[in-house]
Amino acid sequence: NAGVTQTPKFRVLKTGQSMTLLCAQDMNHEYMYWYRQDPGMGLRLIHYSVGEGTTAKGEVPDGYNVSRLKKQNFLLGLESAAPSQTSVYFCASKQDGYEQYFGPGTRLTVT
Amino acid sequence: TQLLEQSPQFLSIQEGENLTVYCNSSSVFSSLQWYRQEPGEGPVLLVTVVTGGEVKKLKRLTFQFGDARKDSSLHITAAQPGDTGLYLCAGEKLASGSRLTFGEGTQLTVNP
Repeated sequence: NAGVTQTPKFRVLKTGQSMTLLCAQDMNHEYMYWYRQDPGMGLRLIHYSVGEGTTAKGEVPDGYNVSRLKKQNFLLGLESAAPSQTSVYFCASKQDGYEQYFGPGTRLTVT
Repeated sequence: TQLLEQSPQFLSIQEGENLTVYCNSSSVFSSLQWYRQEPGEGPVLLVTVVTGGEVKKLKRLTFQFGDARKDSSLHITAAQPGDTGLYLCAGEKLASGSRLTFGEGTQLTVNP
């Protein structure tokens, strides 16, 4: 039981490049979330999903897209990376009524 | 605009001291959670409080939810170096799709 895993752990992008972050959970959780964490800002919700095939916008969705084609996976895409998207990205999952479980994070630097 | 204001942002104390971290909001939450995060890892849940006025204890940690469910506090007694980390509060509102709103975090350093 691996819990929540994130791929990759680190990535450096140049401005304008695209990439996809993968989040996978093996707990059969319905809900999945993508956050970004910046110094002094706590965690801010980017997008979330309440079930397979569903997605919704969070607090800071601009510049990101997501997909949840399979229940266990939640993908976060950056179509044209900007330096403002330099951050640590966390994925989380939960079952209704229970706590969120977080992945180990992806550190992204955009130069 | 941060919905949850956490204070202080940084705290550096000596081993054995007591401390309190505050989490305040003008909004009502159905529940409030406290997380601890170590460098290079994701947050890990410490406790969830759901009832106004509720007090929960976890060894040397005491968590309180305000009567109006707008604020919370975390008190640590006789802090130890192992308590060092980033403490985050997070509130959940009813009918929010189980979304959490996080405070800015309190970076605690306990010096031996």
